[in-house]
Order: sequence, then structure tokens, then C-alpha cells
Amino acid sequence: QAVLTQPSSLSASPGASASLTCTLRSGINVVTYRIYWYQQKPGSPPQYLLSYKSDSDKEQGSGVPSRFSGSKDASANAGILLISGLQSEDEADYYCMMWYSSAWVFGGGTKLTVL
Amino acid sequence: EVQLLESGGGLVQPGGSLRLSCAASGFTFSNYALSWVRQAPGKGLEWVSTISYTGATTFYADSVKGRFTISRDTSQSTLYLEMSSLRADDTAVYYCAKGGLVYITTSSLDHWGQGTLVTVSS
Repeated sequence: QAVLTQPSSLSASPGASASLTCTLRSGINVVTYRIYWYQQKPGSPPQYLLSYKSDSDKEQGSGVPSRFSGSKDASANAGILLISGLQSEDEADYYCMMWYSSAWVFGGGTKLTVL
Repeated sequence: EVQLLESGGGLVQPGGSLRLSCAASGFTFSNYALSWVRQAPGKGLEWVSTISYTGATTFYADSVKGRFTISRDTSQSTLYLEMSSLRADDTAVYYCAKGGLVYITTSSLDHWGQGTLVTVSS
């Protein structure tokens, strides 16, 4: 079982909100870890969006709009990237990441379609 | 402005070797950890290796351990990745990325280069 699991795709309408999940493998407690989020558009490198450990310990990437925010769902053992007021330019692949067992680990990515 | 410029990619035969470089500018090179992350065609991101700001500590993915070596040259503000015993599944775009916090190895990868393509094929 992968350390980080993301749904492969998600669709949402312009102006709506999208909640992208990143589920940690059973036995790895999301409360303990900082989750990082990246956006990647075709033909471009990933761009750092934000990181979230708790409401008092979080970081917004430089220039990243506030409509991108992070949170956790402890009951689901998952990190969440919430994108509000979806725009067409938000259509991209989104990856979560964490430092685990002396390694950076990425989720498989979620392809977000805005239509 | 932070800039990371990878070079050294190309076509190499299975079993061959290659050295990637990442020229950095726009920040105090000696203060930040650096990493290599790769992406196979049409696939997701895979972390390869990280080196601490001093260069004293290195980390490797299991898939490349013993075959790849990460290093840095502060005088040249350049990050390197020496790759040997290359296999077809090493084919990918290789990105270098900068750590987000001064001196902290495990902070965000906050800036990425444009990447260099490595193709392993006979």
C-alpha cells in the first residue's frame, strides 16, 4: 500500500470549490506530519502551493492566492487541499508530499478538471 | 529571483552513466538543502535524492541507492547528480529543487528548475 494515496481525477465547475484528498497509509498518523501541496500544469515544473500541519503551523507559498488552503481530516487520516472559487487556470495535476522515513514521498497525483 | 537550470540530460544506453548539473542563482546557495525529483513520461513525481545545506548528509530513494550520487559545489553554486548503471526505468525528466527554509533539510521544495530529460535506451 502506498504511503500517500490521491484520487486519480476530480472534476468541478468554475466558481465552485474542490477538495483534494491525500490519504496516509494506515499506521501513519496524519496529525504528526506536515503535508505539502504542489500544482503542475502540462509542460511545466511543479509549483509549490502550501504546506499544512495544523491551523497554527501552516505556510502559504509565495504569491499563492488565499483561495488555496490546506487542512486535515484526522478521522479519514488525510490531508486536504481546498481550492475555492475555481477558475479555468486551476485545471492541473496536484501532488501531495511529506517527509517520511528519511525520504520525500509523493502521492500519485490528482488531475483536476474544471468544466 | 531564484533560478535553477538543469543540464546534462540526453540519450544513454542501458548500463551507462550520466552526470546532471543544476546551476543555481538568486539565493545563498550554501544555506539551503537541494533535491532531485524525477518524472517519467506521463507519470507522477518521484523523489530521487536530497543533500543537506552543508553537503554532509545525503538521502536517496531505494530505487537509486548505490547507483546515483548527489553532490554540491558551493564555489560554483551547482548541484550534481552522478548516475550509473542506468536502466530503462530511469528514463524521466529530472528536476532540481531548492529547500524552503535556511539550514533545514526537510522543508518544502519551494523552487524547481525546468528539468532535463534523461532517456535510457539502446
